[in-house]
Amino acid sequence: EVQLVQSGAEVKKPGESLKISCKGSGYSFTSYWIGWVRQMPGKGLEWMGIIYPGDSDTRYSPSFQGQVTISADKSISTAYLQWSSLKASDTAMYYCARHAPIGDYWGQGTLVTVSS
Amino acid sequence: QSVLTQPPSASGTPGQRVTISCSGSSSNIGSNTVNWYQQLPGTAPKLLIYSNNQRPSGVPDRFSGSKSGTSASLAISGLQSEDEADYYCAAWDDSLNGGVFGGGTKLTVL
Repeated sequence: EVQLVQSGAEVKKPGESLKISCKGSGYSFTSYWIGWVRQMPGKGLEWMGIIYPGDSDTRYSPSFQGQVTISADKSISTAYLQWSSLKASDTAMYYCARHAPIGDYWGQGTLVTVSS
Repeated sequence: QSVLTQPPSASGTPGQRVTISCSGSSSNIGSNTVNWYQQLPGTAPKLLIYSNNQRPSGVPDRFSGSKSGTSASLAISGLQSEDEADYYCAAWDDSLNGGVFGGGTKLTVL
């Protein structure tokens, strides 16, 4: 059974750094693109970017390029989304999703709250 | 402003058939397949339709998808109360070299 399990909710202050994770199981992690989707409170889904764990090829939405970093550690079948300096506007639910096609499997979501 | 355009809301009574539209352009829907997702309140999205009109295993055949040119539609027949959810379309965009979502449609079962 394909599963994507994300790390737990985070509460951070503006300016702090953060790295959240998404562990895949039940399939060949290195053979499928995996991406991140943002959902701000009460809003719709926004595609952020994807990574191919097999060779770390990464693509970003222009809206998120330079704002976040997507990475993966294929040795532990885990993808990451990280921020170097959080802003209050980063408060949202973040989902990882396998792309075979886009979003055939989703993680349960990680709620990130940024507040002073 | 989402790249793909959906109506913000739709509604129907139990047993009815409702359709939700998704409009794009030549760089996304016009040249790539469309997927649809259902998001029940407080849960992660779930793939409902892929490759324009294919249902993943376990999705009832009450749900169907179609595509024509730069637009796509999701149809739900025999509407049930448990269908009340947000529905999103998505496609790959060749110009952006990334995925794009519609803004979502909130379906209310009256």
